[in-house]
Amino acid sequence: GENVEQHPSTLSVQEGDSAVIKCTYSDSASNYFPWYKQELGKRPQLIIDIRSNVGEKKDQRIAVTLNKTAKHFSLHITETQPEDSAVYFCAASNPLSGGFKTIFGAGTRLFVKA
Amino acid sequence: NAGVTQTPKFRVLKTGQSMTLLCAQDMNHEYMYWYRQDPGMGLRLIHYSVGEGTTAKGEVPDGYNVSRLKKQNFLLGLESAAPSQTSVYFCASGGRVDTGELFFGEGSRLTVL
Repeated sequence: GENVEQHPSTLSVQEGDSAVIKCTYSDSASNYFPWYKQELGKRPQLIIDIRSNVGEKKDQRIAVTLNKTAKHFSLHITETQPEDSAVYFCAASNPLSGGFKTIFGAGTRLFVKA
Repeated sequence: NAGVTQTPKFRVLKTGQSMTLLCAQDMNHEYMYWYRQDPGMGLRLIHYSVGEGTTAKGEVPDGYNVSRLKKQNFLLGLESAAPSQTSVYFCASGGRVDTGELFFGEGSRLTVL
């Protein structure tokens, strides 16, 4: 079945440094790759996404890259701040007839030390 | 506009008891999903629905049933709760056919003793 692997499971960086989280997916039919941020005790919320016809997308301090051939995609956060501390989930979405089936990675807990 | 609302938010059950989690969305979304979140395992898809009257199995469907009798509601049922079903359950909905962005509820924490 579909599978999304995410690494690392925990990441600790100094404020101002960059953080990189990597994911791989198994289903070739996946064509939409969102990233969600979940703060402690809160619901996951979308922070950035990328579609399969695009190799890279940036939004201020965050960027995502996609290598469809290798089935790899990554999240890059630059100039990290303490408020970036959270759990980040990557996901791969498989288009359905009339919807999407979204499978998540296991999550990365990011600590940004002030 | 409340978005996605889950009830109850907390529940403690004894092994073998049954219960239903209710998810309601007011965004007129076609697609609705139930996930469970366990430490170190991320969000795992239990069941999902692509429209009123439809349901389908996700990654971990065993021990759960769902129904989507109305477009705005998606119910998750546990017929005979087991300790392995202790988890935080998230409902989500999605309405855009081009992106699949999910909107999550606040979560329901279920403990089975």
